[in-house]
Amino acid sequence: DAGVTQSPTHLIKTRGQQVTLRCSPKSGHDTVSWYQQALGQGPQFIFQYYEEEERQRGNFPDRFSGHQFPNYSSELNVNALLLGDSALYLCASSLLAGGPVNEQYFGPGTRLTVT
Amino acid sequence: GQQLNQSPQSMFIQEGEDVSMNCTSSSIFNTWLWYKQDPGEGPVLLIALYKAGELTSNGRLTAQFGITRKDSFLNISASIPSDVGIYFCAGLRGRAQKLVFGQGTRLTINP
Repeated sequence: DAGVTQSPTHLIKTRGQQVTLRCSPKSGHDTVSWYQQALGQGPQFIFQYYEEEERQRGNFPDRFSGHQFPNYSSELNVNALLLGDSALYLCASSLLAGGPVNEQYFGPGTRLTVT
Repeated sequence: GQQLNQSPQSMFIQEGEDVSMNCTSSSIFNTWLWYKQDPGEGPVLLIALYKAGELTSNGRLTAQFGITRKDSFLNISASIPSDVGIYFCAGLRGRAQKLVFGQGTRLTINP
């Protein structure tokens, strides 16, 4: 049973550039959430995708956008990168259609460094 | 962004000791989750709690969902070296699916 996978593992970008991060959810899951984790902090919710639509969004600017594909995988795009966007980006998958179970399982993350 | 208040921020203990950490909020949550994160890795789900007053165990780990629905605690009994890491509490409120995290408790164990 495949767990949550993310790519790439590490990424270095220059300020002003754009980046795309990818996530494949755990087998059988239909929902993908993205979180940003700054060094020494707990993860912060960016947004969540279900049925290829953004269901909820945290307090992040429009520079952060996403997409979910028919196979439930997802992308996170960040435009006009700022130094403050440097962080570990985590993807979490869950099964929304299954009812009240709210367990979210995380991938290993993508470490983004903006210089 | 909004976070849960998690304490202590760090703990330094001897191997074999029991550990207790807690998480509080000014708001009600209907689900509490406890995660462990190792350096360079994503958080790993340890225990999920769904009902006020619920007490759930997973091996040497025990967690409780507070009666007021505004707090939760995690206990680790007879700590071992592999328990080292950062422990996070996280809550879900209402129908929202976004996890709200605490700041984490860093556990260090002296052999």
